[in-house]
Amino acid sequence: AQTVTQSQPEMSVQEAETVTLSCTYDTSESDYYLFWYKQPPSRQMILVIRQEAYKQQNATENRFSVNFQKAAKSFSLKISDSQLGDAAMYFCAYAMSMGGADGLTFGKGTHLIIQP
Amino acid sequence: DAGVIQSPRHEVTEMGQEVTLRCKPISGHNSLFWYRQTMMRGLELLIYFNNNVPIDDSGMPEDRFSAKMPNASFSTLKIQPSEPRDSAVYFCASSSLAGISYEQYFGPGTRLTVT
Repeated sequence: AQTVTQSQPEMSVQEAETVTLSCTYDTSESDYYLFWYKQPPSRQMILVIRQEAYKQQNATENRFSVNFQKAAKSFSLKISDSQLGDAAMYFCAYAMSMGGADGLTFGKGTHLIIQP
Repeated sequence: DAGVIQSPRHEVTEMGQEVTLRCKPISGHNSLFWYRQTMMRGLELLIYFNNNVPIDDSGMPEDRFSAKMPNASFSTLKIQPSEPRDSAVYFCASSSLAGISYEQYFGPGTRLTVT
């Protein structure tokens, strides 16, 4: 079974600074998909960024980027120019297919605090 | 687009009672997922459907849990009888198999409290 591990229960960063959230996963599959979801206090799950394992290029969405290391099974999220609205729980997730045909396996989450 | 709709948003019930959670996926989506979130276990996949057919229910914790999807626009998750350890937030999510939009869209969740 696939597992996703987030080793940082909580991270804190100053506003406007950069922070990196860690995620490792375990799978025997060669083709899969990785995601970062954000869950603010409203508890709504919001997709931040996605990465296809067959793509070597790291995904980027505005201030959010990933460092995908397939051999190391590592998938970290970098948030640049942190803003107060970035404060939330962040979940790393894995799927064998692009979300539409397979369920997500989530890590336990990292609570991100933004210091003003 | 109304998004994924879940009802009720909050449910408080007594142990032993039957609980039914409801979900309306985004129109046109043909995959539907039920997740449970607790402090201890995090976010867990309970069951998912493709084209109204249950594909994987290995995450359903016990026989007390059952899920149905009678048509493309409605799904239920039922707990009978409920127990205090079932207290959690239950999320429904939907997605498209067409590949055009492959993101799983989550509903707002139902917070269930069993006393």
